[in-house]
Amino acid sequence: AQKVTQAQTEISVVEKEDVTLDCVYETRDTTYYLFWYKQPPSGELVFLIRRNSFDEQNEISGRYSWNFQKSTSSFNFTITASQVVDSAVYFCALRPFDGGGSEKLVFGKGTKLTVNP
Amino acid sequence: DAMVIQNPRYQVTQFGKPVTLSCSQTLNHNVMYWYQQKSSQAPKLLFHYYDKDFNNEADTPDNFQSRRPNTSFCFLDIRSPGLGDAAMYLCATSRGAGGEKLFFGSGTQLSVL
Repeated sequence: AQKVTQAQTEISVVEKEDVTLDCVYETRDTTYYLFWYKQPPSGELVFLIRRNSFDEQNEISGRYSWNFQKSTSSFNFTITASQVVDSAVYFCALRPFDGGGSEKLVFGKGTKLTVNP
Repeated sequence: DAMVIQNPRYQVTQFGKPVTLSCSQTLNHNVMYWYQQKSSQAPKLLFHYYDKDFNNEADTPDNFQSRRPNTSFCFLDIRSPGLGDAAMYLCATSRGAGGEKLFFGSGTQLSVL
Protein backbone atom coordinates (compact mmCIF):
# COMPACT_ATOMS: atom_id res chain seq x y z
CA ALA A 1 0.00 0.00 0.00
CA GLN A 2 1.11 3.52 -0.72
CA LYS A 3 0.70 6.02 2.05
CA VAL A 4 1.98 9.43 3.09
CA THR A 5 1.70 10.62 6.66
CA GLN A 6 2.04 14.21 7.73
CA ALA A 7 1.56 13.97 11.44
CA GLN A 8 1.48 17.73 12.04
CA THR A 9 -1.94 19.05 11.18
CA GLU A 10 -1.21 22.65 12.06
CA ILE A 11 1.90 24.56 13.06
CA SER A 12 2.08 28.14 14.21
CA VAL A 13 5.37 30.04 14.48
CA VAL A 14 6.55 33.58 14.82
CA GLU A 15 8.33 35.21 11.93
CA LYS A 16 12.05 34.40 11.67
CA GLU A 17 11.67 31.10 13.48
CA ASP A 18 12.84 27.93 11.77
CA VAL A 19 10.19 25.28 11.22
CA THR A 20 10.33 21.67 10.06
CA LEU A 21 7.42 19.89 8.42
CA ASP A 22 7.52 16.14 8.76
CA CYS A 23 6.65 13.61 6.08
CA VAL A 24 6.78 9.83 6.39
CA TYR A 25 5.88 7.59 3.49
CA GLU A 26 5.16 3.92 2.86
CA THR A 27 5.70 2.08 -0.37
CA ARG A 28 6.88 -1.34 -1.50
CA ASP A 29 8.24 0.04 -4.73
CA THR A 30 11.98 0.45 -5.03
CA THR A 31 11.52 3.25 -7.51
CA TYR A 32 9.38 6.19 -6.56
CA TYR A 33 9.24 9.97 -6.47
CA LEU A 34 8.58 12.29 -3.58
CA PHE A 35 7.23 15.80 -3.87
CA TRP A 36 6.39 18.81 -1.78
CA TYR A 37 3.67 21.22 -2.85
CA LYS A 38 2.60 24.49 -1.28
CA GLN A 39 -1.04 25.56 -1.29
CA PRO A 40 -1.46 29.23 -0.35
CA PRO A 41 -4.90 30.65 0.47
CA SER A 42 -5.43 31.37 -3.24
CA GLY A 43 -5.86 27.62 -3.72
CA GLU A 44 -3.31 26.79 -6.40
CA LEU A 45 -0.85 24.05 -5.50
CA VAL A 46 2.68 25.14 -6.26
CA PHE A 47 5.44 22.64 -6.89
CA LEU A 48 8.42 22.99 -4.55
CA ILE A 49 10.63 19.96 -5.04
CA ARG A 50 10.83 16.46 -6.49
CA ARG A 51 13.16 13.68 -5.38
CA ASN A 52 13.55 10.21 -6.84
CA SER A 53 14.22 7.23 -4.64
CA PHE A 54 17.79 6.86 -5.81
CA ASP A 55 18.83 10.36 -4.91
CA GLU A 56 19.21 10.80 -1.17
CA GLN A 57 21.14 14.02 -1.38
CA ASN A 58 19.64 16.75 0.71
CA GLU A 59 18.75 19.91 -1.09
CA ILE A 60 18.76 23.57 -0.19
CA SER A 61 16.98 26.27 -2.10
CA GLY A 62 17.22 29.64 -0.43
CA ARG A 63 15.43 29.39 2.91
CA TYR A 64 14.03 25.96 2.03
CA SER A 65 15.79 22.67 2.64
CA TRP A 66 14.77 19.05 2.37
CA ASN A 67 16.11 16.03 4.22
CA PHE A 68 15.45 12.70 2.48
CA GLN A 69 16.26 9.58 4.50
CA LYS A 70 15.30 6.24 3.02
CA SER A 71 16.29 4.43 6.20
CA THR A 72 13.44 6.10 8.04
CA SER A 73 11.19 6.64 4.99
CA SER A 74 11.11 10.33 5.68
CA PHE A 75 11.26 13.41 3.52
CA ASN A 76 11.18 16.40 5.84
CA PHE A 77 11.00 20.03 4.84
CA THR A 78 12.59 22.87 6.76
CA ILE A 79 11.95 26.56 6.33
CA THR A 80 14.67 28.73 7.81
CA ALA A 81 13.85 32.22 9.06
CA SER A 82 10.16 31.85 8.25
CA GLN A 83 8.20 34.74 6.78
CA VAL A 84 4.51 35.61 6.78
CA VAL A 85 4.37 34.75 3.07
CA ASP A 86 5.26 31.16 3.96
CA SER A 87 1.82 30.76 5.52
CA ALA A 88 0.11 28.01 3.54
CA VAL A 89 -0.83 24.37 3.59
CA TYR A 90 2.09 22.15 2.62
CA PHE A 91 1.53 18.75 1.08
CA CYS A 92 3.99 15.92 0.82
CA ALA A 93 3.23 13.45 -1.97
CA LEU A 94 4.44 10.09 -3.24
CA ARG A 95 4.40 8.86 -6.80
CA PRO A 96 5.18 5.17 -6.88
CA PHE A 97 6.66 3.98 -10.13
CA ASP A 98 4.95 0.69 -10.54
CA GLY A 99 5.37 0.58 -14.29
CA GLY A 100 1.69 -0.15 -14.69
CA GLY A 101 0.82 3.30 -15.93
CA SER A 102 -0.86 4.51 -12.79
CA GLU A 103 -0.47 8.25 -12.50
CA LYS A 104 -1.73 8.48 -9.00
CA LEU A 105 0.05 10.99 -6.82
CA VAL A 106 -0.61 9.98 -3.22
CA PHE A 107 -0.87 13.05 -1.04
CA GLY A 108 -0.52 13.39 2.69
CA LYS A 109 -3.24 15.27 4.51
CA GLY A 110 -1.18 18.42 4.60
CA THR A 111 0.28 20.64 7.28
CA LYS A 112 -1.15 24.09 7.73
CA LEU A 113 1.64 26.52 8.57
CA THR A 114 0.83 29.91 10.01
CA VAL A 115 3.64 32.40 10.36
CA ASN A 116 2.71 35.28 12.61
CA PRO A 117 4.39 38.68 12.39
CA ASP B 1 0.70 34.53 -16.87
CA ALA B 2 -1.44 31.68 -15.68
CA MET B 3 -0.55 28.42 -17.41
CA VAL B 4 -3.41 26.28 -16.14
CA ILE B 5 -6.64 28.22 -16.10
CA GLN B 6 -9.82 27.11 -14.44
CA ASN B 7 -13.18 28.73 -14.88
CA PRO B 8 -15.17 29.72 -13.05
CA ARG B 9 -13.40 30.32 -9.73
CA TYR B 10 -16.66 29.77 -7.86
CA GLN B 11 -19.59 27.73 -9.10
CA VAL B 12 -22.93 27.31 -7.44
CA THR B 13 -25.32 24.64 -8.62
CA GLN B 14 -28.50 23.06 -7.40
CA PHE B 15 -28.86 19.56 -6.10
CA GLY B 16 -29.20 17.25 -9.09
CA LYS B 17 -28.56 19.92 -11.72
CA PRO B 18 -25.72 19.01 -14.11
CA VAL B 19 -22.67 21.21 -13.95
CA THR B 20 -19.51 21.48 -16.03
CA LEU B 21 -16.18 22.81 -14.88
CA SER B 22 -13.55 23.80 -17.38
CA CYS B 23 -9.79 23.79 -17.53
CA SER B 24 -7.40 25.05 -20.16
CA GLN B 25 -3.64 24.99 -20.41
CA THR B 26 -1.04 26.88 -22.38
CA LEU B 27 1.78 24.45 -21.62
CA ASN B 28 0.98 21.93 -24.36
CA HIS B 29 1.28 19.17 -21.79
CA ASN B 30 0.24 15.63 -22.63
CA VAL B 31 -1.41 14.79 -19.35
CA MET B 32 -4.34 16.51 -17.69
CA TYR B 33 -5.77 15.58 -14.31
CA TRP B 34 -8.82 16.33 -12.24
CA TYR B 35 -8.54 16.29 -8.47
CA GLN B 36 -11.25 16.74 -5.87
CA GLN B 37 -10.26 18.42 -2.63
CA LYS B 38 -12.68 18.67 0.25
CA SER B 39 -12.16 21.06 3.09
CA SER B 40 -8.97 20.37 5.07
CA GLN B 41 -8.30 17.18 3.12
CA ALA B 42 -5.71 16.05 0.63
CA PRO B 43 -6.47 16.28 -3.08
CA LYS B 44 -7.96 13.08 -4.45
CA LEU B 45 -7.40 12.05 -8.05
CA LEU B 46 -10.63 11.50 -9.97
CA PHE B 47 -9.21 10.71 -13.41
CA HIS B 48 -6.65 11.80 -15.93
CA TYR B 49 -6.06 11.94 -19.65
CA TYR B 50 -2.82 10.95 -21.28
CA ASP B 51 -3.35 12.60 -24.63
CA LYS B 52 -6.74 11.20 -25.63
CA ASP B 53 -6.55 8.15 -23.41
CA PHE B 54 -8.92 8.43 -20.48
CA ASN B 55 -7.95 6.82 -17.17
CA ASN B 56 -10.53 6.61 -14.45
CA GLU B 57 -9.68 5.94 -10.82
CA ALA B 58 -11.44 2.87 -9.47
CA ASP B 59 -13.22 4.75 -6.71
CA THR B 60 -14.42 7.69 -8.80
CA PRO B 61 -18.23 7.75 -8.79
CA ASP B 62 -20.03 7.28 -12.11
CA ASN B 63 -21.58 10.67 -11.51
CA PHE B 64 -18.28 12.23 -12.59
CA GLN B 65 -17.33 12.31 -16.24
CA SER B 66 -14.67 14.08 -18.22
CA ARG B 67 -14.02 15.24 -21.76
CA ARG B 68 -10.86 16.37 -23.47
CA PRO B 69 -11.74 17.68 -26.92
CA ASN B 70 -8.19 18.82 -27.66
CA THR B 71 -4.79 19.18 -26.01
CA SER B 72 -5.59 22.49 -24.41
CA PHE B 73 -8.98 21.89 -22.85
CA CYS B 74 -10.43 19.45 -20.38
CA PHE B 75 -13.88 19.43 -18.79
CA LEU B 76 -15.31 17.88 -15.68
CA ASP B 77 -18.99 17.03 -15.86
CA ILE B 78 -20.97 16.21 -12.75
CA ARG B 79 -24.22 14.69 -13.96
CA SER B 80 -26.28 14.92 -10.80
CA PRO B 81 -24.44 16.81 -8.08
CA GLY B 82 -25.15 15.83 -4.53
CA LEU B 83 -24.39 17.76 -1.37
CA GLY B 84 -21.35 15.57 -0.86
CA ASP B 85 -19.85 16.78 -4.13
CA ALA B 86 -19.31 20.26 -2.79
CA ALA B 87 -15.55 20.69 -2.93
CA MET B 88 -12.65 22.40 -4.62
CA TYR B 89 -11.92 20.87 -8.00
CA LEU B 90 -8.35 21.18 -9.13
CA CYS B 91 -7.10 20.72 -12.66
CA ALA B 92 -3.46 19.88 -13.19
CA THR B 93 -1.17 19.10 -16.09
CA SER B 94 2.16 17.39 -16.59
CA ARG B 95 4.43 17.04 -19.54
CA GLY B 96 4.41 13.27 -19.32
CA ALA B 97 4.03 10.34 -17.02
CA GLY B 98 6.26 9.06 -14.26
CA GLY B 99 7.90 11.55 -11.98
CA GLU B 100 6.94 14.66 -13.88
CA LYS B 101 5.87 17.54 -11.69
CA LEU B 102 2.31 18.74 -11.85
CA PHE B 103 1.19 22.25 -12.65
CA PHE B 104 -2.07 23.15 -10.96
CA GLY B 105 -4.78 25.66 -11.69
CA SER B 106 -6.32 27.79 -8.97
CA GLY B 107 -9.29 25.51 -8.71
CA THR B 108 -13.06 25.85 -8.91
CA GLN B 109 -14.92 25.91 -5.63
CA LEU B 110 -18.21 24.12 -6.18
CA SER B 111 -21.17 24.69 -3.91
CA VAL B 112 -24.29 22.54 -4.12
CA LEU B 113 -27.51 24.01 -2.77
